[in-house]
Amino acid sequence: DGGITQSPKYLFRKEGQNVTLSCEQNLNHDAMYWYRQDPGQGLRLIYYSQIVNDFQKGDIAEGYSVSREKKESFPLTVTSAQKNPTAFYLCASTPHPGVSPLHFGNGTRLTVT
Amino acid sequence: AQKITQTQPGMFVQEKEAVTLDCTYDTSDPSYGLFWYKQPSSGEMIFLIYQGSYDQQNATEGRYSLNFQKARKSANLVISASQLGDSAMYFCAMREALQHAGNNRKLIWGLGTSLAVNP
Repeated sequence: DGGITQSPKYLFRKEGQNVTLSCEQNLNHDAMYWYRQDPGQGLRLIYYSQIVNDFQKGDIAEGYSVSREKKESFPLTVTSAQKNPTAFYLCASTPHPGVSPLHFGNGTRLTVT
Repeated sequence: AQKITQTQPGMFVQEKEAVTLDCTYDTSDPSYGLFWYKQPSSGEMIFLIYQGSYDQQNATEGRYSLNFQKARKSANLVISASQLGDSAMYFCAMREALQHAGNNRKLIWGLGTSLAVNP
């Protein structure tokens, strides 16, 4: 079955360490997205990519970085510059941005202490 | 500015009854689309239903339907015959206006409504 796989489901890191969250899709979608979700704040867009080797900053890109070297993969690195990295991170993809619905992974819950 | 407002932080409904979750939106773009997603406690976001601004009829998908009132700028989700498995967060989202985003039309999200279905 096609879908989006995020790993790991839970991730724990010490403050000051960079950490990379994995997102892999086999839906053959061009567009991929990273969202951050905090309690009571809904979804906020971190980065998105419409095509391989191209990506744009979303609303809260500071302290994060991404790469899109393959169509299937869109990893997110949470750097030590991100002041408050503890959150739930969701990866999504769609074949037609803004027209077709987003397909989401199951999310990664990152805790930084 | 474009905005989605969900005014109900939490809702309760008795099993087998219908419930309406409110969503109002603000946009000056004549062409827009509205999405509803469900997020169970496990975390994944599940697409439920879509309404385009030019659609002639209100969208329906099984037990889900949209009460789309364009003049009032509201797109309320109606869940009929509620089930225990409907307990979740529900998010309303709208795609960005073409004039603002061009080809990079992203979604604008509401803050969500938490629905609890009582047995």
